[in-house]
Amino acid sequence: DAKTTQPTSMDCAEGRAANLPCNHSTISGNEYVYWYRQIHSQGPQYIIHGLKNNETNEMASLIITEDRKSSTLILPHATLRDTAVYYCIVRVDDYKLSFGAGTTVTVRA
Amino acid sequence: GAVVSQHPSRVICKSGTSVKIECRSLDFQATTMFWYRQFPKQSLMLMATSNEGSKATYEQGVEKDKFLINHASLTLSTLTVTSAHPEDSSFYICSASMGRVNTEAFFGQGTRLTVV
Repeated sequence: DAKTTQPTSMDCAEGRAANLPCNHSTISGNEYVYWYRQIHSQGPQYIIHGLKNNETNEMASLIITEDRKSSTLILPHATLRDTAVYYCIVRVDDYKLSFGAGTTVTVRA
Repeated sequence: GAVVSQHPSRVICKSGTSVKIECRSLDFQATTMFWYRQFPKQSLMLMATSNEGSKATYEQGVEKDKFLINHASLTLSTLTVTSAHPEDSSFYICSASMGRVNTEAFFGQGTRLTVV
């Protein structure tokens, strides 16, 4: 599977948009970009995924560059409950998810 | 999203005993389930992939005789840690997938295992 690179940590202000970048320069044509988050001592929570088009759901938006080598997860109005580790994962059709170190996002009041 | 239930959420056992952890998909049929292990301040490490009715596929370095996985039905997979030792203490997490292209996997809430 393609590797991803994410910043180690980010601070965000409550109520503002949080933009989380992810590089996946070796992504291949059939690999999807998935985002999960893990709040301390819980199982990961699915956020959103996409292949090449931008996607939006009730939690977040996913912006994928035209060359698909990077993407950005946008939390439109960050709250304190969004404090978590966010994982960007690229996945092929065998359904396996391999987790990297992720980005530790801290939302501050 | 779909619900995956993991039980127990927390277990303490003595060295040398075996512990069974259950993972259930409550509102969908999971053709594929995954088991992960997470040590403190580290990311999730995939241990094995199990498909309903067949043997699990273990990741490199994971002992299949120590971590027994059974996926007997489309809604239940179990992980048994046999002859547990203190170094097996960890956070064990399962996930379940409907096994179709372009579908997300859903995770259980995790099991905190402490071996004393």
